[in-house]
Amino acid sequence: DTEVTQTPKHLVMGMTNKKSLKCEQHMGHRAMYWYKQKAKKPPELMFVYSYEKLSINESVPSRFSPECPNSSLLNLHLHALQPEDSALYLCASSQRDMENIQYFGAGTRLSVL
Amino acid sequence: GQQLNQSPQSMFIQEGEDVSMNCTSSSIFNTWLWYKQDPGEGPVLLIALYKAGELTSNGRLTAQFGITRKDSFLNISASIPSDVGIYFCAGLEGSQGNLIFGKGTKLSVKP
Repeated sequence: DTEVTQTPKHLVMGMTNKKSLKCEQHMGHRAMYWYKQKAKKPPELMFVYSYEKLSINESVPSRFSPECPNSSLLNLHLHALQPEDSALYLCASSQRDMENIQYFGAGTRLSVL
Repeated sequence: GQQLNQSPQSMFIQEGEDVSMNCTSSSIFNTWLWYKQDPGEGPVLLIALYKAGELTSNGRLTAQFGITRKDSFLNISASIPSDVGIYFCAGLEGSQGNLIFGKGTKLSVKP
């Protein structure tokens, strides 16, 4: 089983809203990732958690706040987003650390109005 | 930073034709990956390559890891309509920990 589950599938929010994206995996993977993908572009890395600790933050604005409550869950808290933040947000996980293959979820399609 | 040059950018082919796409890099990667992404979905892993010179097949898909560890190709034989999508190559570099993606090859298959 190589399933990474993301919820919700779609999200529409206003610029003053607070929302959260959720990601879950039960493969025993110890590294989890958030990516942002704009249309017709490859995914861009945002955050990496390794053993539940934030190990990489690719200079992401503070309106995006990641959280890793346990080894199976990864959240991305959103606050005061801008319309240009509209994108497909992908979660991925890998077995141990960044040297292992990453498996992706289906993504959350976010629209900021 | 490291970059992957993926080509072609797009392909329009007839059902049943074979397809070839490739990626090159100015840097060495320890692992090469090929993903396929359907519209509105996440990338799905097709093939992983770990050793220089390695040739790996997955059904109608064949991929090779270049001897220099700076390039890889993906071949699809006897294409079918469900092969439509965007194919991404990606290099996994252990010391940085980042998955470096190519810009993708958009494949269209005409029945």
